[in-house]
Amino acid sequence: NAGVMQNPRHLVRRRGQEARLRCSPMKGHSHVYWYRQLPEEGLKFMVYLQKENIIDESGMPKERFSAEFPKEGPSILRIQQVVRGDSAAYFCASSPRGSGANVLTFGAGSRLTVL
Amino acid sequence: DAKTTQPPSMDCAEGRAANLPCNHSTISGNEYVYWYRQIHSQGPQYIIHGLKNNETNEMASLIITEDRKSSTLILPHATLRDTAVYYCIVRADGSSNTGKLIFGQGTTLQVKP
Repeated sequence: NAGVMQNPRHLVRRRGQEARLRCSPMKGHSHVYWYRQLPEEGLKFMVYLQKENIIDESGMPKERFSAEFPKEGPSILRIQQVVRGDSAAYFCASSPRGSGANVLTFGAGSRLTVL
Repeated sequence: DAKTTQPPSMDCAEGRAANLPCNHSTISGNEYVYWYRQIHSQGPQYIIHGLKNNETNEMASLIITEDRKSSTLILPHATLRDTAVYYCIVRADGSSNTGKLIFGQGTTLQVKP
């Protein structure tokens, strides 16, 4: 039973390029969460999605960042026109539901470096 | 969700029990206490959670005070691989909660040989 799969594990982009990070949740999980961890900082919530719906995007930067979780396929975190400040580890987590006692399972993360 | 307070760092000798405290004095009746840890550069890992009663699993024990205003995570026999940042998170149950976890600064546990 594979856990939460994130790819790529490492991504290098030049300023102004686009970054796409993918997350496949655990089997049977229909809720996906994205977190960002800047160097030497804590984990910051970005967005919470269910299939085809964004439930909570209160942690998403207003510009350049978007997320989706289509009916088929992985969840995608997209960063347009990347800047050096976007360099961070991006972690995806999934859970079987959104409420109640709810354990999140995290992936190994995608590390974005912007040159 | 209620705020939690943890010491920024702790040391523990290898093989001894590590007791990590967490204060959550404003916790509500429907809020669970969760513990996660993050070993350097890895994704956070779930450890244990509880509502009112003490809990134990293969990784750790969670002791919640009767008034639920504080809790302690116990790693019974700490190893060097337990060196990590440990996060205590209080999260509400209920339909109004979106399911997200809010991570604070946590406690950096250093297990020493």
